[in-house]
Amino acid sequence: DGGITQSPKYLFRKEGQNVTLSCEQNLNHDAMYWYRQDPGQGLRLIYYSQIVNDFQKGDIAEGYSVSREKKESFPLTVTSAQKNPTAFYLCASRNRGRGGELFFGEGSRLTVL
Amino acid sequence: GQQLNQSPQSMFIQEGEDVSMNCTSSSIFNTWLWYKQEPGEGPVLLIALYKAGELTSNGRLTAQFGITRKDSFLNISASIPSDVGIYFCAGPPPGDSSYKLIFGSGTRLLVRP
Repeated sequence: DGGITQSPKYLFRKEGQNVTLSCEQNLNHDAMYWYRQDPGQGLRLIYYSQIVNDFQKGDIAEGYSVSREKKESFPLTVTSAQKNPTAFYLCASRNRGRGGELFFGEGSRLTVL
Repeated sequence: GQQLNQSPQSMFIQEGEDVSMNCTSSSIFNTWLWYKQEPGEGPVLLIALYKAGELTSNGRLTAQFGITRKDSFLNISASIPSDVGIYFCAGPPPGDSSYKLIFGSGTRLLVRP
């Protein structure tokens, strides 16, 4: 079945450690996105990529990094520079063009101890 | 930046009741999207609206694109326990080809059996 796979589902990290969240899609979508969700809030955009080997910062990119070496993969690294990394992270993808709406993965919950 | 204001923030209703929620913006949108998120999962697209005045249904759900293009409404008829979740409105800012969706803060729906 086509879809977006995020892993791990749950992750615990000590302060000062970098951690990488995986996002893989087999929908042949061009664009991929990373959002952060905090309790009781909407989704905020971290990074997005419209084509391979290109990506742009979203509204809250500080302390995060991404890469887009393959069309189907868009990993997110939460670095030690991110001041408050505990959150629910959501990856999404879409086909470019009108009517190509965002499809989301099931999310990864990161907890910093 | 642009914001989407959703109301109400939460609703606790009896099974069988109808539900109405809305989303407003200070600026015009050309697309309105409604997503549902269940606990610990990623949002799932319910309805997409592309034209002012458009009224679209998906089962017991009906959404409308406001004629001013600054608001949208979602109605759920005859609610059932599986309607529980957070409902988000979202839309891409006009003229933004990268499709960086802006999300409302959500309406949390609880249904009492």
